[in-house]
Amino acid sequence: ILNVEQSPQSLHVQEGDSTNFTCSFPSSNFYALHWYRWETAKSPEALFVMTLNGDEKKKGRISATLNTKEGYSYLYIKGSQPEDSATYLCAFHRGGNKLVFGAGTILRVKS
Amino acid sequence: EAEVAQSPRYKITEKSQAVAFWCDPISGHATLYWYRQILGQGPELLVQFQDESVVDDSQLPKDRFSAERLKGVDSTLKIQPAELGDSAMYLCASSLSQGASYEQYFGPGTRLTVT
Repeated sequence: ILNVEQSPQSLHVQEGDSTNFTCSFPSSNFYALHWYRWETAKSPEALFVMTLNGDEKKKGRISATLNTKEGYSYLYIKGSQPEDSATYLCAFHRGGNKLVFGAGTILRVKS
Repeated sequence: EAEVAQSPRYKITEKSQAVAFWCDPISGHATLYWYRQILGQGPELLVQFQDESVVDDSQLPKDRFSAERLKGVDSTLKIQPAELGDSAMYLCASSLSQGASYEQYFGPGTRLTVT
């Protein structure tokens, strides 16, 4: 059974705080790791697709790192804003065609 | 910006009834996916199409679920008969092609409630 674990399950922070979440995945047969942001009543939005060990990607205040040897990825948000409130999903691709999603981390940013 | 369209956004149906969802992917995207997300869990792939052909339907409950993409463009997912356990968010996504590095673009989903 292929498990993708995300922690924490939920997080409440104050505006301006920096935060990070973890995605753990099997380290064998790695092809890619995807991060998505899913705001309520909207479509999940792709943030990053990461394929190489040691990859670091950045989009505005959001960045992600990847360690394929130990099977984890971190997502960082610097200076959280209320509009960052969303569910953050990671998904593991081990080849073939299937993305396997974690259950997500729910972030709530209070102003 | 091109988007994946889904309808309806919300559907309430009684158990044993038939229900259908529609998805229109981004133009030019050859690969189309249907996912189901049960509350508290991550989305799970139900079926994947490459053009009009099914590539993966290993998690599709084929006794009651069916999916088609007749002309390799839009797609329909049907449930007949619906059961209480089918209550979930049904997401459609598309990508230029299949493969690990291709970004999947999601629609807003259909929230199904079976009573």
